[in-house]
Amino acid sequence: EAQVTQNPRYLITVTGKKLTVTCSQNMNHEYMSWYRQDPGLGLRQIYYSMNVEVTDKGDVPEGYKVSRKEKRNFPLILESPSPNQTSLYFCASSFTYKGLAGAKNTGELFFGEGSRLTVL
Amino acid sequence: ILNVEQSPQSLHVQEGDSTNFTCSFPSSNFYALHWYRWETAKSPEALFVMTLNGDEKKKGRISATLNTKEGYSYLYIKGSQPEDSATYLCAFTTSGTYKYIFGTGTRLKVLA
Repeated sequence: EAQVTQNPRYLITVTGKKLTVTCSQNMNHEYMSWYRQDPGLGLRQIYYSMNVEVTDKGDVPEGYKVSRKEKRNFPLILESPSPNQTSLYFCASSFTYKGLAGAKNTGELFFGEGSRLTVL
Repeated sequence: ILNVEQSPQSLHVQEGDSTNFTCSFPSSNFYALHWYRWETAKSPEALFVMTLNGDEKKKGRISATLNTKEGYSYLYIKGSQPEDSATYLCAFTTSGTYKYIFGTGTRLKVLA
């Protein structure tokens, strides 16, 4: 079954304790990205990756790191979590294709189940 | 900062009613407009991806239109059913970047 898997699904931690949220997809997608969902705000992009070893900042990257050592995995790292990082996090992946002008483009996003993180 | 706006924020309709929502986005540097359906306790799922001005897409009772010149898209649901209750998100992508800018969503509740 095609899927994006995130772990953990729920986590309560304390300020400053490093944590990693894993994300894995089995669809051979080149593109992967992380979002956070907060009440009253839309999904906001944290980081994205167009391929192995290629990552770039989204709109809210502060306090987060990512790595893309393998195509299927894209972990989100919080080196020193703070209470303002309490949120619902989604990982997503997409296929890429060449558009009319030859540039690479991405398609619809396939989302993981979400990880609800609470930082005390 | 690019902004995507959705309206209304929420609405309640009776079973059998038809309804529609709006997504407004910047018309410059447009590449694609996505609609996602997000049910409570689940993850968002793609409904439509549209790239061309005038695009119309349909899936069962749900359809969408796109106007890239004026920067809006409509999502229509015909004959709403309780299982249509969800939050409907739109997202905009620009040419040459790989960022997805999401609206805050329209929360639909269909009353039986």
